[in-house]
Amino acid sequence: AQKVTQAQTEISVVEKEDVTLDCVYETRDTTYYLFWYKQPPSGELVFLIRRNSFDEQNEISGRYSWNFQKSTSSFNFTITASQVVDSAVYFCALSGFSNAGNMLTFGGGTRLMVKP
Amino acid sequence: KAGVTQTPRYLIKTRGQQVTLSCSPISGHRSVSWYQQTPGQGLQFLFEYFSETQRNKGNFPGRFSGRQFSNSRSEMNVSTLELGDSALYLCASRNQQRTRSTAGELFFGEGSRLTVL
Repeated sequence: AQKVTQAQTEISVVEKEDVTLDCVYETRDTTYYLFWYKQPPSGELVFLIRRNSFDEQNEISGRYSWNFQKSTSSFNFTITASQVVDSAVYFCALSGFSNAGNMLTFGGGTRLMVKP
Repeated sequence: KAGVTQTPRYLIKTRGQQVTLSCSPISGHRSVSWYQQTPGQGLQFLFEYFSETQRNKGNFPGRFSGRQFSNSRSEMNVSTLELGDSALYLCASRNQQRTRSTAGELFFGEGSRLTVL
């Protein structure tokens, strides 16, 4: 069975602060994918990033960065210099390699509120 | 390029009724999956279709069913509605042409919000 835990249900920061969203996962698969999605108020989920389980290299994309640590089963997401437009619900997700990412297990989500 | 379109966006039904939700994927995307989002259970996978065949199925009762047509459009049906079926139903499509490089990269619609009274 797979499980994704996002312990932070809600985070509130002031604009320009850095914020880290935590994600811990459980899986028996030896190879798997990890993802982050963003859900703005309009409802549709927006894909942010995918990592393969054999690639622990951290990634930076603009103000976003991701820290994947297999030893602690964590895949944390940091937003640097947060902006009001970053306000949304963020979901971490997991998928086994066998279904090629066609079947995602999502965490409960973290609601991020960035205040001006 | 048009995104994933779901209809209807909002609907209200009563217990015992049935409902059909529709999803039009991005042009060229042949994989369509459905997710249920509720405050209590969060986002849960319902099923995934590819080329008119159900390829994966989540842990939902038989009242939940779906299908995909030859043009990749998909419908899901919930029969004998229960109060607990009130949820946002999200459809997602995926470009399957390059499996590894697009794995899990789903394009979601804005969802159909179902309220069961």
